Amino acid sequence: EIVLTQSPGTLSLSPGERATLSCRASQSFSSSYLAWYQQKPGQAPRLLIYGASNRATDIPDRFSGSGSGTDFTLTISSLEPEDFAVYSCHQYGSSPRTFGQGTNLEIK
Amino acid sequence: QVQLVQSGAEVEKPGASVKVSCKASGYTFTGYYIHWVRQAPGQGLEWMGWINPNNGGTNYAQKFQGRVTMTRDTSISTAYMELSRLRADDTAVYYCARAQPLDYWGQGTLVTVSS
Repeated sequence: EIVLTQSPGTLSLSPGERATLSCRASQSFSSSYLAWYQQKPGQAPRLLIYGASNRATDIPDRFSGSGSGTDFTLTISSLEPEDFAVYSCHQYGSSPRTFGQGTNLEIK
Repeated sequence: QVQLVQSGAEVEKPGASVKVSCKASGYTFTGYYIHWVRQAPGQGLEWMGWINPNNGGTNYAQKFQGRVTMTRDTSISTAYMELSRLRADDTAVYYCARAQPLDYWGQGTLVTVSS
């Protein structure tokens, strides 16, 4: 099973700042199968990034993903008020599919 | 537009079973796998398994093997997830999602297991 570890657990930033979220895998896998999700309280997750670096439909270009092998990054270039949420990475290349434990991006 | 609409909240006693439905619309139901993911209160997302609506094939996470059954009814574009022998730690919001990646999600179904 591929274990995904996200850091930091909580990130406190202000609107307009840059956010960098990390997702590290316990073993290497193809970046084609790494996704990032955003989740707000009481809502279902929303797909942001798939294939490590491809933005999903209607996702603003301030969101970008990168990485390969075991290290992946989600970057939000300039935080908007609506970006404060929990972000989870997800690998879908091998079974069982797994998720990271999430990074809580909160307003400073 | 693609939509996945799930059944309503359930309260069950320990040892009982629960069956959650997920009705798809806006796309060809048999063209995409349906995955089930759950989220316990205050916790992260946990993958449970998938069903191929085209042929009914399934793949379950080992943790749920023997307790989970995923089925579908193509005539009404609906997938089902049944979890048996419920325990208190099965209390969670259960989501269906179209895959992959998991691009469209249902609204979630809260299942509460309590005596």
